[in-house]
Amino acid sequence: QVQLVESGGGVVQTGKSLRLSCAASGFTFRSYGMHWVRQAPGKGLEWVAIIWYDGSKKYYADSVKGRFIISRDNSKNTLYLQMNSLRVEDTAMYYCASSVGDGDYEDSWGQGTRVTVSS
Amino acid sequence: DIVMTQSPDSLGVSLGERATINCKSSQSILFSSNNENCLAWYQQKPGQPPTLLIYWAYIRESGVPDRFSGSGSGTHFTLTISSLQGEDVADYYCQQYCSPPFTFGQGTKLDI
Repeated sequence: QVQLVESGGGVVQTGKSLRLSCAASGFTFRSYGMHWVRQAPGKGLEWVAIIWYDGSKKYYADSVKGRFIISRDNSKNTLYLQMNSLRVEDTAMYYCASSVGDGDYEDSWGQGTRVTVSS
Repeated sequence: DIVMTQSPDSLGVSLGERATINCKSSQSILFSSNNENCLAWYQQKPGQPPTLLIYWAYIRESGVPDRFSGSGSGTHFTLTISSLQGEDVADYYCQQYCSPPFTFGQGTKLDI
C-alpha cells in the first residue's frame, strides 16, 4: 500500500529556509504527480503545490509562489519542498500527498511534519 | 483562482440521521476531457491527516462506506451521509482539482 513519510520540519526564524522531504513507497513513484498541502493550527486545509510525475510541470498557491520550490528525485522515491523567506503565517502541519488515481485529487496522505516559524 | 465555499461551517446531526454538506465553486469545474466534475471530498478526524472520500464528485473511494455519497454538477455539489454513525464526527472539505491552484473549501465541522 502507499506509504508517505514526511520529515524536515522544525522551528525556524522568519526569513530563514527549511527543506521538507517526503519518502514514498508502495507504488511506482516516478509515474504519479505529488502534492504538498498544509494546515495552520486550528485552521483548514491549504493546497500548496503540485509537481508532475516527471517534474516537467509545477504549480503553486499564490501565498507561496516565488518563495517555495517543489521538486522530486525519482531515483530516490522522494518529494521535496524547499521553503525560503519563511513567514510566521507559514506555520503549519505540512502533508505530502499522492495522485495515483485518474485525476489530480490527493488519494493518499502522509502523517505530516510540523513547521513553526517564529519572529 | 477558483474559490470553493462550503455550507454550513458546522453541523450537528443525531445518530442515524442524514447529514448534508454543500460546496459551491466560483466557476464551473467540469473537466472537458471526460465530462466529469473535478470535485473531491475529504474527511479529517482530529489529529489525523485527511482521507479521500469521493472524487469526480460522486465516485466513492475504495473502502468508503456506502452511507457516504456525492452529487452535483457545474458549480453546486453536495456530500450526504445517509445515516450518521459516531465515527463520522470529523471535519469535511471539498476541493476542486480542475485548475491549479487546487483550492479547498473552508471546511465543515460535523458533530453529533
